[in-house]
Amino acid sequence: DADVTQTPRNRITKTGKRIMLECSQTKGHDRMYWYRQDPGLGLRLIYYSFDVKDINKGEISDGYSVSRQAQAKFSLSLESAIPNQTALYFCATSTARGAPRDEQFFGPGTRLTVL
Amino acid sequence: AQSVTQLGSHVSVSEGALVLLRCNYSSSVPPYLFWYVQYPNQGLQLLLKYTTGATLVKGINGFEAEFKKSETSFHLTKPSAHMSDAAEYFCAVSEDSSASKIIFGSGTRLSIRP
Repeated sequence: DADVTQTPRNRITKTGKRIMLECSQTKGHDRMYWYRQDPGLGLRLIYYSFDVKDINKGEISDGYSVSRQAQAKFSLSLESAIPNQTALYFCATSTARGAPRDEQFFGPGTRLTVL
Repeated sequence: AQSVTQLGSHVSVSEGALVLLRCNYSSSVPPYLFWYVQYPNQGLQLLLKYTTGATLVKGINGFEAEFKKSETSFHLTKPSAHMSDAAEYFCAVSEDSSASKIIFGSGTRLSIRP
């Protein structure tokens, strides 16, 4: 079973619709992240959460909101989707141990198309 | 502020040839450096990570990278390319060892010619 899961994997929607992307993890990590990937731009951080009560904006948070429902769940919402939000969205998790092996673990991604 | 520059958005090599993917970083504090790989239709997975100590870091699948502070570089190499290495590779930098705030480069797509 995957440690970091994302639903849906693919979504096509229309301009103005509200969309929620969900992320769940079984790794027991405190920290969770949402990124978007666009060709030629790499991954850009949208929001991150270091625990259930801690939510922070990333580099490109405008037009997005998040909810950390539990340690294991972190949802990303597009309140009113627009075409330039068409992208591949990734959820990631990490711990806060500061150990040499610490890394971010990524989900499989959600491909979102806004028409 | 930290940043990462990957030189070459697309690199093509023959099977069995040397793979060299270039990465330069900018950081005001000692950096933690990463290479991630993304296979088609998959998420990113860590290839290797530099924290402190030995500047030559060995990762999975025969890849390695060398941290050169004087050149602010962290280039990724593999002596002999395999068809299965075809993927997109991302260099990244973080200020802290917990990998909490990672800045990614724009990626380099590696193609392998038979």
